Amino acid sequence: ETGVTQTPRHLVMGMTNKKSLKCEQHLGHNAMYWYKQSAKKPLELMFVYNFKEQTENNSVPSRFSPECPNSSHLFLHLHTLQPEDSALYLCASSQDEPGADTQYFGPGTRLTVL
Amino acid sequence: GDSVTQMEGPVTLSEEAFLTINCTYTATGYPSLFWYVQYPGEGLQLLLKATKADDKGSNKGFEATYRKETTSFHLEKGSVQVSDSAVYFCALTFKAAGNKLTFGGGTRVLVKP
Repeated sequence: ETGVTQTPRHLVMGMTNKKSLKCEQHLGHNAMYWYKQSAKKPLELMFVYNFKEQTENNSVPSRFSPECPNSSHLFLHLHTLQPEDSALYLCASSQDEPGADTQYFGPGTRLTVL
Repeated sequence: GDSVTQMEGPVTLSEEAFLTINCTYTATGYPSLFWYVQYPGEGLQLLLKATKADDKGSNKGFEATYRKETTSFHLEKGSVQVSDSAVYFCALTFKAAGNKLTFGGGTRVLVKP
């Protein structure tokens, strides 16, 4: 595997379910990100992790819970979601060092909340 | 705060036509500027970037020049193909901001044969 991978690619869940999204990067980066992409809205940054430490939480509701066990893996745990949380969730990674400012994105997980 | 404004789509054009997507930004200082492309059903891919004034980024026939005086980073391609149909995002970041990307709203481009 190369680049940034995300699983599952598609997920349908009810409002009472608990599920997790997984992201893995194979680029040796030390920063990882979760974004939400909704129809007709700009991309929204949700969380940022640098060296496994969360450095940004953009006022995301607590029903979204990120986890970064190491610099290669990032999870987004979901529970008691709402239909308006249906969106494409994108993971990205980058190298946090001088001169490196490009983020590399995974293909996303298309989430539908019923 | 920082912001990116790009033309709303959809932009519909014929194959081999000239494409321009306008992008302007508001920021304090001199950010790095990016164009990302999202093909149907996929995530974002970096198309090109420029890190300082007057730099020109180019890739796959696309070009964009960092214009400090007009705070713009317009994307151009001289002859589009059907395979260029996608959503294009302009974005900026400051290294000091921990690589936080600020995106424009995206411009959908549809190229017809």
